[in-house]
Amino acid sequence: DVKVTQSSRYLVKRTGEKVFLECVQDMDHENMFWYRQDPGLGLRLIYFSYDVKMKEKGDIPEGYSVSREKKERFSLILESASTNQTSMYLCASNSLVFSYEQYFGPGTRLTVT
Amino acid sequence: AQTVTQSQPEMSVQEAETVTLSCTYDTSESDYYLFWYKQPPSRQMILVIRQEAYKQQNATENRFSVNFQKAAKSFSLKISDSQLGDAAMYFCAYRRPGTQGGSEKLVFGKGTKLTVNP
Repeated sequence: DVKVTQSSRYLVKRTGEKVFLECVQDMDHENMFWYRQDPGLGLRLIYFSYDVKMKEKGDIPEGYSVSREKKERFSLILESASTNQTSMYLCASNSLVFSYEQYFGPGTRLTVT
Repeated sequence: AQTVTQSQPEMSVQEAETVTLSCTYDTSESDYYLFWYKQPPSRQMILVIRQEAYKQQNATENRFSVNFQKAAKSFSLKISDSQLGDAAMYFCAYRRPGTQGGSEKLVFGKGTKLTVNP
């Protein structure tokens, strides 16, 4: 089974802190994604990466950056956390060859106070 | 830009009954994929069913089937013989075909919360 894991299920940070959300997949997938999920807004793409060190902005990249130094790991970085970044963050991955399905991690619920 | 609309924020169904969740989308592409994803409470999102736009036949996965109307840009999900475990958020999603850089992105609807009553 494909496994996508996220470093924390719940995280509480203070305004202005630098926050790292980590995602690891174990299926050698080329593509990895970071989404933000908010009630009534669905899932919105923050960033995605289709190869090591490659990244593209999604629909809401402002206030976020990403890092992909290794194929299996994709990090989301909040340089200076703000209260409006309180949300559920979902990581996903898929294969280039069998790209019909994105596999999701369990999510990290981030609260910024 | 492609958009996906789920007009029903919440739905409920009695156990063993059938329910249909609606989804419409907007695109100028002729070739694309459509998906329904399920997110149970506090659990990971999983793929329920997918439909390739070039296929006229509606996809079916056990109790889950879709009604794909390409001309109307409609993609509804029918759940037959509803079970308590079907209670979840359901998201409709659209994706263009392609193999690299940009084309892999999914566009999601806002979701429909399905409650199954015993």
